[in-house]
Amino acid sequence: DTEVTQTPKHLVMGMTNKKSLKCEQHMGHRAMYWYKQKAKKPPELMFVYSYEKLSINESVPSRFSPECPNSSLLNLHLHALQPEDSALYLCASSQQGLGLAGGFNTGELFFGEGSRLTVL
Amino acid sequence: AQTVTQSQPEMSVQEAETVTLSCTYDTSESDYYLFWYKQPPSRQMILVIRQEAYKQQNATENRFSVNFQKAAKSFSLKISDSQLGDAAMYFCAHITQGGSEKLVFGKGTKLTVNP
Repeated sequence: DTEVTQTPKHLVMGMTNKKSLKCEQHMGHRAMYWYKQKAKKPPELMFVYSYEKLSINESVPSRFSPECPNSSLLNLHLHALQPEDSALYLCASSQQGLGLAGGFNTGELFFGEGSRLTVL
Repeated sequence: AQTVTQSQPEMSVQEAETVTLSCTYDTSESDYYLFWYKQPPSRQMILVIRQEAYKQQNATENRFSVNFQKAAKSFSLKISDSQLGDAAMYFCAHITQGGSEKLVFGKGTKLTVNP
């Protein structure tokens, strides 16, 4: 199994709603990522979990709340979003975790198809 | 700071022809990796090819090859015998050891393949 699975594929929510995006991988990868991608732009890193611990938070607003329940699952909880938060949200995983002594995250990421979020 | 520059927002190629996408990067580190990722319309991003900075030999994956010029900090992607399925956004990316270990993407090049 070499897939990263994201659900839902599409989500429409109001600014007062609470929703969650889910991501799952069964490749035994030790790092998982959330990226935000606007149309015709590169992905922007939001969060990285390495060995199930939050390793990187790119100063993301608190209305986005990540959670890593176990090594295979990654959630992104959404609350009180703004219309400008509408985007494609990509989950990715990599075999090696970050900052591993004697090791190195080679940067080869496996991406899911994304969850397209529209905030009304 | 690490930067990755793709100077061609859009490129087009005829089917079966060859096209080269350009990428330059900037880093003060000596040990790093470079990548080309492909993102087809409405489909997931996948790794096309990877180059380790310590290797002098250019990486090749079937019809995809790179021209890695370390001194010039240049990393171009050549696609030979272009196929309709090659149409996509192509992102050049860079990661350093000893740095933040964050993958830095260029702005992307949209490749159109004409039949």
